[in-house]
Amino acid sequence: DIQMTQSPSTLSASVGDRVTITCRASQSINIWLAWYQQKPGKAPRLLIYKASSLESGVPSRFSGSGSGTEFTLTISSLQPDDFATYYCQQYDSFPYSFGQGTKLEIK
Amino acid sequence: EVLLMESGGGLVKPGGSLRLSCAASGFSFSGYNMNWVRQAPGKGLEWVSSISGSGDYIYYADSVKGRFTISRDNAKNSLYLQMNSLRAEDTAVYYCARRDDYNNRGVDYWGQGTLVTVSS
Repeated sequence: DIQMTQSPSTLSASVGDRVTITCRASQSINIWLAWYQQKPGKAPRLLIYKASSLESGVPSRFSGSGSGTEFTLTISSLQPDDFATYYCQQYDSFPYSFGQGTKLEIK
Repeated sequence: EVLLMESGGGLVKPGGSLRLSCAASGFSFSGYNMNWVRQAPGKGLEWVSSISGSGDYIYYADSVKGRFTISRDNAKNSLYLQMNSLRAEDTAVYYCARRDDYNNRGVDYWGQGTLVTVSS
């Protein structure tokens, strides 16, 4: 099974900051990685698929990169609406697996 | 508009059973792989099970294998999860989610979730 390790677990930042979240896979998953944003009491929202493709309707300040085992999600200039929890997920093979999540907090 | 609406959650005793349903609309249901993903209170996301559009290919997480059964009725645009031998650690919000294999977008649409609580 593929393990996904996400870091950091918590990130404190201010509006306007540039932030990066990292996700590592225990074996190569090519580009089959998605990033989700989740707010309390809500379902996850797809942000990035195929490691770097921006989902329709998602602001361009979100970007993804990487392939193989190392991936990053970058938010170029944090906005108040971005404070949430972020998850990576591999969909290269079953069982699908998620990172443990990164909670992005206001500093 | 793609809509997924789960139902069937509730309070059940350990060892009991529950059947979740997911009503899909706004897309050609039979053409899509469907999934169940759960989230225990205050915890992260855990993939539970997946079924292909035809129902021929089914996968489970080890944590539910032998206890949960995923199924679908394409004529009714519905997805199901039969949960037996429930344990306290199965307590979670259960989400129905679609996978887009046409554009390789992964799991793209999610329902609002239904809460399952396993407690005596």
